[in-house]
Amino acid sequence: QKEVEQNSGPLSVPEGAIASLNCTYSDRGSQSFFWYRQYSGKSPELIMFIYSNGDKEDGRFTAQLNKASQYVSLLIRDSQPSDSATYLCAVPKTNAGKSTFGDGTTLTVKP
Amino acid sequence: GAVVSQHPSWVICKSGTSVKIECRSLDFQATTMFWYRQFPKQSLMLMATSNEGSKATYEQGVEKDKFLINHASLTLSTLTVTSAHPEDSSFYICSARDPAGAGSTDTQYFGPGTRLTVL
Repeated sequence: QKEVEQNSGPLSVPEGAIASLNCTYSDRGSQSFFWYRQYSGKSPELIMFIYSNGDKEDGRFTAQLNKASQYVSLLIRDSQPSDSATYLCAVPKTNAGKSTFGDGTTLTVKP
Repeated sequence: GAVVSQHPSWVICKSGTSVKIECRSLDFQATTMFWYRQFPKQSLMLMATSNEGSKATYEQGVEKDKFLINHASLTLSTLTVTSAHPEDSSFYICSARDPAGAGSTDTQYFGPGTRLTVL
């Protein structure tokens, strides 16, 4: 089992729809969780992080965390073509200083 | 805030030569920086963790004598690809943690990446 698993996709949604991206992790001791966006040919950029159970909203993005189920998700409301990218879930390794990244989910938003 | 730069953004070199890539944190001090490599349409792969003032910690399978990392100051880490070969052609990305940042101390801020092509 991978430490961080994401649906590989690709995920395709129409413009204006809600895109739902999922991530599961294996380390029950994990405390914080990150979502990054990576456009083709570019480096990752931070979208948001979450460390408390429940929802955290930032503009059109909502991160959802359920530590009991070891599950974190990212919802993108009112999806735009400019949201088309690969979304990476990252989980810091406990007491290791580094993070484990999922393989990413590629999202395509069709006009 | 939390801006990371890399130089050069792209480099083409001949097989057998060495290439140095710089990673700088512009507006914060980074005790820890990370070096990643990414091949086209593949996942981000961590190569090593660079700690200021100490030796880098390399991931399993990464040759430390081939990929030399130096983190001599709190704002600069360098990766030198020695005796580069065509199979080393890849997208090299650094990131840095901001221990004094307003957000989580585990947040990694990525540089724009360096595209290396070895002929």
